[in-house]
Amino acid sequence: DAGVIQSPRHEVTEMGQEVTLRCKPISGHNSLFWYRQTMMRGLELLIYFNNNVPIDDSGMPEDRFSAKMPNASFSTLKIQPSEPRDSAVYFCASSATGTDTQYFGPGTRLTVL
Amino acid sequence: AQSVSQHNHHVILSEAASLELGCNYSYGGTVNLFWYVQYPGQHLQLLLKYFSGDPLVKGIKGFEAEFIKSKFSFNLRKPSVQWSDTAEYFCAVNIDTGRRALTFGSGTRLQVQP
Repeated sequence: DAGVIQSPRHEVTEMGQEVTLRCKPISGHNSLFWYRQTMMRGLELLIYFNNNVPIDDSGMPEDRFSAKMPNASFSTLKIQPSEPRDSAVYFCASSATGTDTQYFGPGTRLTVL
Repeated sequence: AQSVSQHNHHVILSEAASLELGCNYSYGGTVNLFWYVQYPGQHLQLLLKYFSGDPLVKGIKGFEAEFIKSKFSFNLRKPSVQWSDTAEYFCAVNIDTGRRALTFGSGTRLQVQP
């Protein structure tokens, strides 16, 4: 299995630009999670989906952030407009039905200048 | 809401020393507990997990953790660390009520000196 796939691995953009992060969960997994890792706040959940439906988006910082999961094999996290304080590593994770073990992708390191 | 505390932020050990990293959580109900490791420049990998049963769980690479319900703790141990164990270690919990997202501790950076 290829594991959770994220793209891009690194993204450098300027303040005000739109950023789209992508995630492909492990095939057959029905839950998908987006986390953000920063030095100041550690690892924090942004949003998670179950069967493509957003279940908990209480961690999404503000309206500039949005996430979608149009099908079971793809999710996006969009930031528009981006700000320097959004600089972080964004991880996607997935888990299978009936289990709580999450498998993480390699992350996207976002730098907003 | 549940929270997870890792009191050791940075630990420095020599090779062959024993390791114990503390993890405490705040939730009175049933929990699932995890330890993840993040090697430099890499993504999080599952070390071990506890859902139920034997409170002493063994994971990969010689790590183990003990769940002590009365202390709300899930400490990670390894009898003899290696230089390759240098990494950041995260304790995580989710409550067994269907909310499947993990709450992570702040992490412990372990540095093993050769």
